[in-house]
This record gives sequence, C-alpha cells and structure tokens, in this order.
Amino acid sequence: EPEVTQTPSHQVTQMGQEVILRCVPISNHLYFYWYRQILGQKVEFLVSFYNNEISEKSEIFDDQFSVERPDGSNFTLKIRSTKLEDSAMYFCASSVEGTYYGYTFGSGTRLTVV
Amino acid sequence: KQEVTQIPAALSVPEGENLVLNCSFTDSAIYNLQWFRQDPGKGLTSLLLIQSSQREQTSGRLNASLDKSSGRSTLYIAASQPGDSATYLCAVSEAGNNRKLIWGLGTSLAVNP
Repeated sequence: EPEVTQTPSHQVTQMGQEVILRCVPISNHLYFYWYRQILGQKVEFLVSFYNNEISEKSEIFDDQFSVERPDGSNFTLKIRSTKLEDSAMYFCASSVEGTYYGYTFGSGTRLTVV
Repeated sequence: KQEVTQIPAALSVPEGENLVLNCSFTDSAIYNLQWFRQDPGKGLTSLLLIQSSQREQTSGRLNASLDKSSGRSTLYIAASQPGDSATYLCAVSEAGNNRKLIWGLGTSLAVNP
C-alpha cells in the first residue's frame, strides 16, 4: 500500500536554529498538509498546499514557518528560528482531493528543541 | 468555532469485551468524520471514514456510526484484543472547508490480557 514517508523520525535542535522536515507524499496525491501534535495536546492543522501554493494556513503558521515542494516529489516544512514551544510531533499528510477520500499520514518527525 | 470532544479520555478493559468510544462535535455542518488510531510515539493510521451523508461504516471488528444532527459519532470495537491498545482519535472536516481536519484529544485504550 502506498505510504507517506517522513524524515528524519527524530530531530534534536538548538533553540534559534533552522530545521527542515521532509516528506515524500503519495505520488498521485494532489493535496499536501502539515499538522503538529504537542505532547498531551490535540493534533493541530498547520498548512495545506495545492498546485504549488499554500491553500490555507492556521494562526500557528507564522512567518517562522514555510513550506516548499522543491522537486515534484518532496514536500518540506522549514522552521526558520526554532523556539522551545516548537517541540512537537510533526505529521505530513497527503490526499487525492481534500478530505473526501481521507488522508494518508506519515509516521511523523519528533522535533525536540533544547 | 468547531470543537471536537472525545469521552472517555482513557479506558481499560479485559480482553474480549465489546466497547464504545464516543466523539462529539459542536457544529453539525461537517463534510466527513474520520477515526484514527495512534500507537505511542507513532503516526496516525486511518481506521474509518464516514461521509456526512452516511450513517455508519464497518471494517472488520470496527464499526463507526454518525449522527450528524446530534453532533455525535461512536466507534464500536467488538471482541477487543490486547493489540487494540492504542489511542483512538476522531477528526472532522467542515462543510465549508473540507481540506483540513479538526481533532479530538483522543481516547487512550488499554486492553488487558
């Protein structure tokens, strides 16, 4: 069964450093997403991406965050200057068309900011 | 603003029991509802997807029902097994915006042998 692949599975970074989280969505999917889950809290929507541009972003997704689809297969989330409160599990997902057929999620990247 | 609530927060049952997990949402104008499973420190596995026009979906020992007008969904697990131990999450997408999911906090299930 097709999978969404995320790398790395765990990343530790110093506060103030830039991090890039990587995802390879399912090849025939058109919509891509990033969600995050802070330990003990609800999963939160960050951003959706379609047709090479952001289609929606949440209040969390401020100027410190950016997304890119650099080469037609990868989908990346960059955090420019990490803060302690960015520590969370970050999930990438992709879908054929919105949520109608559901999402497929990756296994997540646990980001720890120290 | 849509809010999703799941009760109970945690559940511990002996193996073999049938059990029901509950999900409620405040705005009935949903596009669809999904149930996910999350193992500790792991990703999100989709279990069942119910469109707003549907009443239930079944997959193996799992059955999910949807009562949109009352803002409720239940996930029924038959003959529970230790391997069912995980956190079960409910998420809705809204009729006016079907591109993002709004999540509950989950029910942490422990099935004891």
